[in-house]
Amino acid sequence: GDSVTQMEGPVTLSEEAFLTINCTYTATGYPSLFWYVQYPGEGLQLLLKATKADDKGSNKGFEATYRKETTSFHLEKGSVQVSDSAVYFCALSTGGSYIPTFGRGTSLIVHP
Amino acid sequence: DTGVSQDPRHKITKRGQNVTFRCDPISEHNRLYWYRQTLGQGPEFLTYFQNEAQLEKSRLLSDRFSAERPKGSFSTLEIQRTEQGDSAMYLCASSLNPSGAIYEQYFGPGTRLTVT
Repeated sequence: GDSVTQMEGPVTLSEEAFLTINCTYTATGYPSLFWYVQYPGEGLQLLLKATKADDKGSNKGFEATYRKETTSFHLEKGSVQVSDSAVYFCALSTGGSYIPTFGRGTSLIVHP
Repeated sequence: DTGVSQDPRHKITKRGQNVTFRCDPISEHNRLYWYRQTLGQGPEFLTYFQNEAQLEKSRLLSDRFSAERPKGSFSTLEIQRTEQGDSAMYLCASSLNPSGAIYEQYFGPGTRLTVT
């Protein structure tokens, strides 16, 4: 079946540091890929998505590139802020029902 | 657009009791999803509706779990004879899905269930 593997957290960074959160996937079909973010006390929000190989999703300074050859969708940001502290979930979806399979989430803590 | 709302936000119940959670989706959204999230895990899909039709329910965790969306608007998730292992966050999400498209899901804040 479909699965998503994310790097374990927490990831602890200083403000303005470079961020990478690794995500790899296994899928039986041709998936769409997503990153969701969950801020403390809030629901999940879609951060960015990519629907085909070599697409780059981007939003709020975050970006991720759909790499079919390495089955990866790593999340990056050039300069993190304290307000980026949250849990980040990588997810994939195949087929028309749009039922995503989520990874376990990676907690990001950014210190001033 | 007030977003997806869930009620209650927290529920504490004794083992063996029945509980019911409500989800109000964004008003024009035709799809509604239920997930369970346990500590340190991502959301786990349970079931979803398109309008009032429940299109997938094979991944409900047991026959103690059931969901309804009687008029294609709000939905309820019921857990009968709760067990301690049911303690989790229950999430609802909605989306507007024309046929063949993949659209963003909007999540509610969740209902945290504690079974004692």
